[in-house]
Amino acid sequence: KNEVEQSPQNLTAQEGEFITINCSYSVGISALHWLQQHPGGGIVSLFMLSSGKKKHGRLIATINIQEKHSSLHITASHPRDSAVYICAVKPGAQKLVFGQGTRLTINP
Amino acid sequence: DAGVIQSPRHEVTEMGQEVTLRCKPISGHDYLFWYRQTMMRGLELLIYFNNNVPIDDSGMPEDRFSAKMPNASFSTLKIQPSEPRDSAVYFCASSMTRSTDTQYFGPGTRLTVL
Repeated sequence: KNEVEQSPQNLTAQEGEFITINCSYSVGISALHWLQQHPGGGIVSLFMLSSGKKKHGRLIATINIQEKHSSLHITASHPRDSAVYICAVKPGAQKLVFGQGTRLTINP
Repeated sequence: DAGVIQSPRHEVTEMGQEVTLRCKPISGHDYLFWYRQTMMRGLELLIYFNNNVPIDDSGMPEDRFSAKMPNASFSTLKIQPSEPRDSAVYFCASSMTRSTDTQYFGPGTRLTVL
């Protein structure tokens, strides 16, 4: 079993829909990252969380340490949000462990 | 700041050749990371440095891979000899002070080994 599991693997939605991407992990962590990889390949760090919730524009990330679960939400989704979203966790002082990513497609 | 700079952006080489990938981190960042991304395995951390010192190289696949950071503004990842299975996108990232801080990724180098 992978240490980091993301769901769904693929998600297609219509513009304007509310999007939720989930990340579950099996180890204790010191931090969790959400990354966005654009169709052109570039990677952007969206959030780094160790507890609670963070918001940036239409993006919201939450984490529940007890349940070992994080969610990334996108409100009022737009075709430019189409990308692969990657969850990565940091087990203590160890190196980052990555999920396989969720491919999101937003149709106009 | 220009962000993390990687060169070359694309590299096509023949099996057996030496490949050197280069990275310039964001000025003032103490941590530098090298990642590899393939369709099969996703993103993998190869090695990371703190203040130019390699901290964890357990992700380096084998002895053909080596990484150096001679100063705070430059790092290299070398593959010698290269093999077709090394074909991947190699990303460099840097972060400010703690390894849990937000990492800023470079554009990546797409390596194809024929």
